Amino acid sequence: DAGVIQSPRHEVTEMGQEVTLRCKPISGHNSLFWYRQTMMRGLELLIYFNNNVPIDDSGMPEDRFSAKMPNASFSTLKIQPSEPRDSAVYFCASSKLRTGELFFGEGSRLTVL
Amino acid sequence: AQTVTQSQPEMSVQEAETVTLSCTYDTSESDYYLFWYKQPPSRQMILVIRQEAYKQQNATENRFSVNFQKAAKSFSLKISDSQLGDAAMYFCAYRSEGSYNTDKLIFGTGTRLQVFP
Repeated sequence: DAGVIQSPRHEVTEMGQEVTLRCKPISGHNSLFWYRQTMMRGLELLIYFNNNVPIDDSGMPEDRFSAKMPNASFSTLKIQPSEPRDSAVYFCASSKLRTGELFFGEGSRLTVL
Repeated sequence: AQTVTQSQPEMSVQEAETVTLSCTYDTSESDYYLFWYKQPPSRQMILVIRQEAYKQQNATENRFSVNFQKAAKSFSLKISDSQLGDAAMYFCAYRSEGSYNTDKLIFGTGTRLQVFP
C-alpha cells in the first residue's frame, strides 16, 4: 500500500508568489494533518481534518495560509502571498482516527527567496 | 496545554553501545499516548515505539525500549546495540486521549543522534 504522498518535494519561489502543496493520504485513513518544521520552532501543527472537515486550524500562522480537503484522498495547503519566513519543510500526515499512529509523507521543502 | 521537552539537542554513541534519549512532558490528563519518532536524513518521520499511559509495562520494539515513569512524567528511549542506521533526529511526541477528535501529536524539539563506528 502506498504511503502518504506529497508534492512537490522541493519548491523554490520568489516572495509574493502563490505556493500550493499537495497531499494524498493513505487510503482508508480519515484524519489528515499538516505540520511545518523549521530549525527555530521544530514541528508545528498547522491544521488537521477529520473526515474531510477542518477540526483545528489554530496553528495556521496567518490569513495567507489556507488548507482544503475536498475529498478523502486529497488535500492542499496554499500560501498566498508567500514570504521568506515561510521557508520550511511542510509535512502531511494521515491516520485512522483514534488509532494514535500518524503516517508521514516525505515532506515538501519550500524556499521563498 | 500539554508540552513536551527534550533537553538533549545532540547525543552520540559508539556502534554496538547503548544510548538513552530523554523526554519529559507536562499534562494534567491521566490518559494519553506517548511516541518516539525517528527522522533520518531522508526526512520522513518514522514511528519507532509507542506507549499507552494506562499500561505499566514499558514498551519494547526489538532494540528499542522505553522507560516510562508516569508520576515523573518522563519517557526516555533506550537504543541497544546501536547501529549506524540509527543516526537520525529523534522526536518525542504526546497525544491526548481526552477527545474523540484528537489524534494530533505534540512534538518535542528533537535530539540529534550520531552513531560512530
